[in-house]
Amino acid sequence: QLQLQESGPGLVKPSETLSLTCTVSGGSISITSAYWGWVRQFPGKGLEWVGSIYYSGSTYYNPSLESRVTISADTSKNQFSLRLNSVTAADTAVYYCGRVGSSFVPSAAVTSWGQGTLVTVSS
Amino acid sequence: EVVLTQSPGTLSLSPGERATLSCRASQSVSNNYLAWYQQKPGQAPRFLISGASIRATGVPDRISGSGSGTDFTLTISRVEPEDFAVYYCQQYGNSPGTFGQGTKVEIK
Repeated sequence: QLQLQESGPGLVKPSETLSLTCTVSGGSISITSAYWGWVRQFPGKGLEWVGSIYYSGSTYYNPSLESRVTISADTSKNQFSLRLNSVTAADTAVYYCGRVGSSFVPSAAVTSWGQGTLVTVSS
Repeated sequence: EVVLTQSPGTLSLSPGERATLSCRASQSVSNNYLAWYQQKPGQAPRFLISGASIRATGVPDRISGSGSGTDFTLTISRVEPEDFAVYYCQQYGNSPGTFGQGTKVEIK
């Protein structure tokens, strides 16, 4: 059974970089049938696509975040990671990693989700 | 980007009643690429439906999706106690993928 687990600091200072890693077990991220992505949920409960990555290294970013976000993958560790630069309080959210159920639509339905990790941006 | 508006905001029902949740898009969703999720407190969203009407593995058949273009519906034919939760729609036919604000199904 596919499992995903987010890890990383729960507190980040304003203007610094948020870094999270998603470790995948029960399946390989080096598959041709899926993207692997990040979705965040704000304290008011709204959801927002952050971005995703294909096993080949191809990435998709939400245009609203594109200038600040980088998603990468380490296939040897079966992990993919998120970096978000120049964070502000508006980036405070629960960050989820997930398996995207499509190999050709990078922001398609997320079919498997990690449990999520709360990242708070505060000094 | 496509804005999804879900209604009602809250649906108060008794177990056994029918639930009808609406998701309306600001423009036509390409290929009817519309998904639904269920979220319970403290949990990640659970994937229910893709392509507007295709149930995910393990989703009971009392939960169904329908619609096309700009109007989509999630129906729970007879609400069970485990169905009380928040439901979100997501479109992925137009980039960037976007989510609705959610409908809460609560016990009456």
